[in-house]
Amino acid sequence: DGGITQSPKYLFRKEGQNVTLSCEQNLNHDAMYWYRQDPGQGLRLIYYSQIVNDFQKGDIAEGYSVSREKKESFPLTVTSAQKNPTAFYLCASSYLGSSPLHFGNGTRLTVT
Amino acid sequence: QQQVKQSPQSLIVQKGGISIINCAYENTAFDYFPWYQQFPGKGPALLIAIRPDVSEKKEGRFTISFNKSAKQFSLHIMDSQPGDSATYFCAASITGANNLFFGTGTRLTVIP
Repeated sequence: DGGITQSPKYLFRKEGQNVTLSCEQNLNHDAMYWYRQDPGQGLRLIYYSQIVNDFQKGDIAEGYSVSREKKESFPLTVTSAQKNPTAFYLCASSYLGSSPLHFGNGTRLTVT
Repeated sequence: QQQVKQSPQSLIVQKGGISIINCAYENTAFDYFPWYQQFPGKGPALLIAIRPDVSEKKEGRFTISFNKSAKQFSLHIMDSQPGDSATYFCAASITGANNLFFGTGTRLTVIP
C-alpha cells in the first residue's frame, strides 16, 4: 500500500538535545511538507520541499532543520534552539504544486 | 494572523442530526478549499474539496457550501453518525502555491 510512514509514533527527549523525526513516502510525490499541530492552533507549516536537495522555510521554521537527499525521505530535526518543541508533528506529501496533501500518522514529541 | 478562521471550536450533535462547521477567509486569491477529517492519533485525511466556480459540492452525506462574495464556506454533515466524531479542519490555498492554510479545527462529537 502506498503511503507516508512517520517514525517513531512517540518520542521523548530531554531539553537541550536535538532530535530527528523520520518521514518516508512511497507515493512518488515530488513535494513533501512538515506541519506542527498544537491544540487550538490548527496545523502550521514548518518546512516544505519540492525537489531533492531543495527546501523552503514555512511559517514557523525557527529552531528546525530539514534535508531532502532522496525523493522518498524528508527528515525533520528539532534543534535545541526551538523554544517550545513539545507538539504533534505531521509529515505530508503531494504532487508538485497541487493538493491534496497526504498525511502520515504523526509523531508526538515530548521534551522535558 | 490566522488566514482561515474556523468556528465553532467544538460541536456536539445527536445521531441523525446535521453538523455545520463554518470557515471564513480574507485572501481573495485563494482558489482551493479542502476539508480534512482527523481521528485521534492519526493524520488528517482529505474529506471533500471545492473550487470557487461552484457554490456547492456534495459527496454522500458531506456537503460544502461556498459563498464567494462573503468569503465564507461551510461543511454540512447530514445524518451525523457516531463514526463521524473527529476533528475537522478547513483549509485554503492558491493553486500552484505550496502552502495550505488551515483553520484551527472543530472537534465534532456525535452522541448516539
